[in-house]
Amino acid sequence: NAGVMQNPRHLVRRRGQEARLRCSPVKGHSHVYWYRQLPEEGLKFMVYLQKENIIDESGMPKERFSAEFPKEGPSILRIQQVVRGDSAAYFCASSPQQRNTGELFFGEGSRLTVL
Amino acid sequence: DAKTTQPPSMDCAEGRAANLPCNHSTISGNEYVYWYRQIHSQGPQYIIHGLKNNETNEMASLIITEDRKSSTLILPHATLRDTAVYYCIVRVLREGAQKLVFGQGTRLTINP
Repeated sequence: NAGVMQNPRHLVRRRGQEARLRCSPVKGHSHVYWYRQLPEEGLKFMVYLQKENIIDESGMPKERFSAEFPKEGPSILRIQQVVRGDSAAYFCASSPQQRNTGELFFGEGSRLTVL
Repeated sequence: DAKTTQPPSMDCAEGRAANLPCNHSTISGNEYVYWYRQIHSQGPQYIIHGLKNNETNEMASLIITEDRKSSTLILPHATLRDTAVYYCIVRVLREGAQKLVFGQGTRLTINP
């Protein structure tokens, strides 16, 4: 069984460009979470989505950042007009719908570098 | 969710048991203790979780004190590959809303 797949693994953008990070959850999982990890810092929760719904976006910056998890296809984290401070590793995790062990399954991350 | 306190760093010799402490004095009766780790540059990895009984799996053992105010993660025979940041997290297990809030964790270094 495939785990959480994230792509691209590495992305380089110039200031002002857009970055799109994709996350395919574990097959059958309907919950997706995005985390950001700045260099030498801890993991910060950004947003939690179920299919077609944003459940908790309390960690998302108010501007330039958006996330979606459409009915079909991967979850997308979109960063518009990137700035150097957006350089970070972005991790996606997934979990199933039903109550379970509470384990989140993480991908290997997408590393964004803004020049 | 309750807050946790962990030492920022620890060292352990290869082959010895690594014991990582975590204080969670404000834990509620329905909150579980979870441990994750993050090996350098990789995604976090689930290790183990428990409510009040001690737990063991192929990776580690989790010892929770009787009053549940603290716990210890035990890696019985640490290897160099166990060098990582270890996170202790306490939270309620419920339908939906299962986000994890990571603290600073303990940076464990296994020395040869």
